[in-house]
Amino acid sequence: RKEVEQDPGPFNVPEGATVAFNCTYSNSASQSFFWYRQDCRKEPKLLMSVYSSGNEDGRFTAQLNRASQYISLLIRDSKLSDSATYLCVVIINFNKFYFGSGTKLNVKP
Amino acid sequence: GAVVSQHPSWVICKSGTSVKIECRSLDFQATTMFWYRQFPKQSLMLMATSNEGSKATYEQGVEKDKFLINHASLTLSTLTVTSAHPEDSSFYICSARDLERDLYEQYFGPGTRLTVT
Repeated sequence: RKEVEQDPGPFNVPEGATVAFNCTYSNSASQSFFWYRQDCRKEPKLLMSVYSSGNEDGRFTAQLNRASQYISLLIRDSKLSDSATYLCVVIINFNKFYFGSGTKLNVKP
Repeated sequence: GAVVSQHPSWVICKSGTSVKIECRSLDFQATTMFWYRQFPKQSLMLMATSNEGSKATYEQGVEKDKFLINHASLTLSTLTVTSAHPEDSSFYICSARDLERDLYEQYFGPGTRLTVT
């Protein structure tokens, strides 16, 4: 069983739409959670951390549900520039980072 | 700040040859660097954790004699793919943590695309 699972998508949405991704993790000892963004053939870049209380950064909202072992990312008012692959990352101990396979988002005009 | 570079950005080599990839933290010291491999449309897979001044820790299934890692300084780690074969063709990405800035965030290099013919 994979440590982290994501729906690969693609999610095809029009500009201005709201879209949400989920990511499930299998290890209840997971400590920290992040969403990264990866553009085609580029390195991943940190989008935001995910806290138990949830956090919001502009159009992006991330939430953690420890009971059900999933994290979510909500993007409001989608822009063309949001088109990318979104990777969730789970840290199980200080040096063990596990990446999901990514969810591809295509925002269309 | 927190910039990580990789060199080369892409390389094509013949089967059986060895290729060295460098990963540098440009504006911070990194006692630990990570090496990942990513095949098309797949997730980043951690290959090994590179520790300055000591042996690297390899993930299960990664051959340490094939993927040689050296972390000789606080700003440089190298990955050498020895006797490369076409199945080693992949996108290799390194990352580093700046512990003075953040305990968990990883800063990624731009990646090295290896093609073995």
